Amino acid sequence: DGGITQSPKYLFRKEGQNVTLSCEQNLNHDAMYWYRQDPGQGLRLIYYSQIVNDFQKGDIAEGYSVSREKKESFPLTVTSAQKNPTAFYLCASSYRGTATQETQYFGPGTRLLVL
Amino acid sequence: ILNVEQSPQSLHVQEGDSTNFTCSFPSSNFYALHWYRWETAKSPEALFVMTLNGDEKKKGRISATLNTKEGYSYLYIKGSQPEDSATYLCAYTNGGFKTIFGAGTRLFVKA
Repeated sequence: DGGITQSPKYLFRKEGQNVTLSCEQNLNHDAMYWYRQDPGQGLRLIYYSQIVNDFQKGDIAEGYSVSREKKESFPLTVTSAQKNPTAFYLCASSYRGTATQETQYFGPGTRLLVL
Repeated sequence: ILNVEQSPQSLHVQEGDSTNFTCSFPSSNFYALHWYRWETAKSPEALFVMTLNGDEKKKGRISATLNTKEGYSYLYIKGSQPEDSATYLCAYTNGGFKTIFGAGTRLFVKA
């Protein structure tokens, strides 16, 4: 079945540690996105990528990094510079990413907790 | 600052009730409005995308309307069922690349 997978489902981070969240899609979509959800707030865009080897900062990119070496994969690293990383992280993709009426397809999310 | 507001924040209804909730968005530079349904422990799934003022979309018992001039969209559910329990997200785009999501309306349908 085509879709988006995220792993792990839960992730625990120690102080000062970098952690990486995985996102893979087999929908042959060009565009991929990372969102963060905090209680009572809408999804906020961290980073997005419209094509392999290219990505752009979203609204809250500080303390995060990404790579897009393959079309199928868009991992997100939460660095030690992110002082408040506890949140729910959603990955999404869309066909081209150039037309914003495109539907986004979401993964099941990763919950990151700080020890 | 672009802001999308959804109301109410949560809603409890009985099975068989019809219900509706609101998404408010900036009326200037409108491009598209999306509705997504997000069931607990699952991924958000697209319900509708609307682009034209006066658009009405329907999928089974769920329908949505769009007023771009005043900046709001309504989502209606007719004869709510327990399986309709979910968070309903709306998302606005203004032709730039970014999509702005509301915080969602959480619907609980009691059997």
